[in-house]
Amino acid sequence: DAKTTQPPSMDCAEGRAANLPCNHSTISGNEYVYWYRQIHSQGPQYIIHGLKNNETNEMASLIITEDRKSSTLILPHATLRDTAVYYCIVKFNYGQNFVFGPGTRLSVLP
Amino acid sequence: DAGVIQSPRHEVTEMGQEVTLRCKPISGHDYLFWYRQTMMRGLELLIYFNNNVPIDDSGMPEDRFSAKMPNASFSTLKIQPSEPRDSAVYFCASSPQTGAGNTIYFGEGSWLTVV
Repeated sequence: DAKTTQPPSMDCAEGRAANLPCNHSTISGNEYVYWYRQIHSQGPQYIIHGLKNNETNEMASLIITEDRKSSTLILPHATLRDTAVYYCIVKFNYGQNFVFGPGTRLSVLP
Repeated sequence: DAGVIQSPRHEVTEMGQEVTLRCKPISGHDYLFWYRQTMMRGLELLIYFNNNVPIDDSGMPEDRFSAKMPNASFSTLKIQPSEPRDSAVYFCASSPQTGAGNTIYFGEGSWLTVV
């Protein structure tokens, strides 16, 4: 079973920041937080991951709370092409079972 | 670099027929996964391999499903006999050797319709 809770859907205006929350209150010390997204008809795509510290790459930023019980994925300037289902996953750094929950369906509106 | 390559992209078959889905992982990746996605159940892990050896097949629905990985660059997922409830998108994914913060990379999927 997925260990995360995400809102089922969100809207965001084009050009604005999209902030996608994820609750993972039972996360353990060795578990990473991963974010993937799935654009319609495509395979899931890796976005970013982190353990404790905030992370940023060319796609997004990941903010993890100090107690690690929740995190937020930030798309700084959302475009229409960011419309997708976003999955938050927690997983140990060993083992390979990525468990996908239902995710958040983000709609970027013009 | 080539990503994970799956074939066929789309297949329509009649109930009772055998279906074989194929996957070529990213070169150098030691792990290969098969996932299934449906509207009802979302994205489910069926089986994964490490160095061509099946590690966890607990997600394989029943004996009609089988998966093989004869070498590091090829895997198959076979359904025999197929049933309408097997209609889904089947994704193959691969990952390098496990390590801190490793990620998996998905193919574009094989869309299966069983009529």
